[in-house]
Amino acid sequence: DGGITQSPKYLFRKEGQNVTLSCEQNLNHDAMYWYRQDPGQGLRLIYYSQIVNDFQKGDIAEGYSVSREKKESFPLTVTSAQKNPTAFYLCASSRQGAIQETQYFGPGTRLLVL
Amino acid sequence: AQKVTQAQTEISVVEKEDVTLDCVYETRDTTYYLFWYKQPPSGELVFLIRRNSFDEQNEISGRYSWNFQKSTSSFNFTITASQVVDSAVYFCALRFIVDDKIIFGKGTRLHILP
Repeated sequence: DGGITQSPKYLFRKEGQNVTLSCEQNLNHDAMYWYRQDPGQGLRLIYYSQIVNDFQKGDIAEGYSVSREKKESFPLTVTSAQKNPTAFYLCASSRQGAIQETQYFGPGTRLLVL
Repeated sequence: AQKVTQAQTEISVVEKEDVTLDCVYETRDTTYYLFWYKQPPSGELVFLIRRNSFDEQNEISGRYSWNFQKSTSSFNFTITASQVVDSAVYFCALRFIVDDKIIFGKGTRLHILP
């Protein structure tokens, strides 16, 4: 079955710690995205990548970093510089980065700060 | 400014009633795409429909229907004969050419009461 997987489902971060959220897709999609969702809010774009070895900042990139070394993988690191990381993180992918392409989402990772 | 407004924060209806979720958008672009997603309690966003700005035909899919009115910049979603399984948060989204971004509304939480 093709799809997007995110792990872990829940992640706990201690103060000053960097943590990495995993996102893998086997849909052969070129474009991948990371969103943050806060309670009662819509999704906000953190980073996106339209091709391997290239990525762009979204609206709220500060305190986050990404890499895109493989087409199927787009890990997100939440650094200690992100002062309010508690949120639900959603990864998405689309066939291409073009506007007519539908984004498909993974099941999400909930990050909590201890 | 590019913007998506879902004015209804939360709606509750009794099962089998019809319910309409409103979505109003703002964009200067002539070419854009509109989307609806469903987010059940599990958290994953499920794609429901995509509509481009040049196609104002209404669409029906089972109990779901969508009314796209370019004149009023609205893309409303109606569920007919609602069921408890329809309970979720529903997001309307707008995707446009500049920066290849997608903007999400804040979502409408729908409760279908048995």
